[in-house]
Amino acid sequence: GENVEQHPSTLSVQEGDSAVIKCTYSDSASNYFPWYKQELGKGPQLIIDIRSNVGEKKDQRIAVTLNKTAKHFSLHITETQPEDSAVYFCAANLGSTLTFGKGTMLLVSP
Amino acid sequence: EPEVTQTPSHQVTQMGQEVILRCVPISNHLYFYWYRQILGQKVEFLVSFYNNEISEKSEIFDDQFSVERPDGSNFTLKIRSTKLEDSAMYFCASSEEGMNTEAFFGQGTRLTVV
Repeated sequence: GENVEQHPSTLSVQEGDSAVIKCTYSDSASNYFPWYKQELGKGPQLIIDIRSNVGEKKDQRIAVTLNKTAKHFSLHITETQPEDSAVYFCAANLGSTLTFGKGTMLLVSP
Repeated sequence: EPEVTQTPSHQVTQMGQEVILRCVPISNHLYFYWYRQILGQKVEFLVSFYNNEISEKSEIFDDQFSVERPDGSNFTLKIRSTKLEDSAMYFCASSEEGMNTEAFFGQGTRLTVV
């Protein structure tokens, strides 16, 4: 099955700084890599995703990169704001399942 | 914006009792999923469901678990005889075309087994 490793587990930044979260996956058959943001007491919310035929995707302050050869994908958040504070999960698909990383708690200090 | 809705938001049950967690997926979605998240841990896959049958299930999804789509809108997870270790947040999700397209999650049901 798929195995997804995510780091760091916690990340503290100052407002306005950039934040980068990295994930690796094990199964080369995975072809879809979403990122979810989870706020306290809520369900995971899809914020951006990337498919294996694309190397980079950007949506305003959020970008995701994918290196298929190395089986790495990363989330980049620029100009962080306090409301970006949450737990972020990467995931990779295999068949009809998503395997999640363990999550990164991002804390943005004003 | 369409969303996945789950009820109840919180369920407390005694060990050994049966519980049914309910979900209403997004109306034009065809693929449905249950995931769970033990407090402070990652989200874990339980089961996927398509065309009125289970597509895949994880090792967690043993004989005490079952899923059903009793009508055109609801998708349920039944836990037959709850154990303390079943305490977790249970998330329902749905997607339009399988797990290589966007999957949208509900707000979850917090199950507490006492």
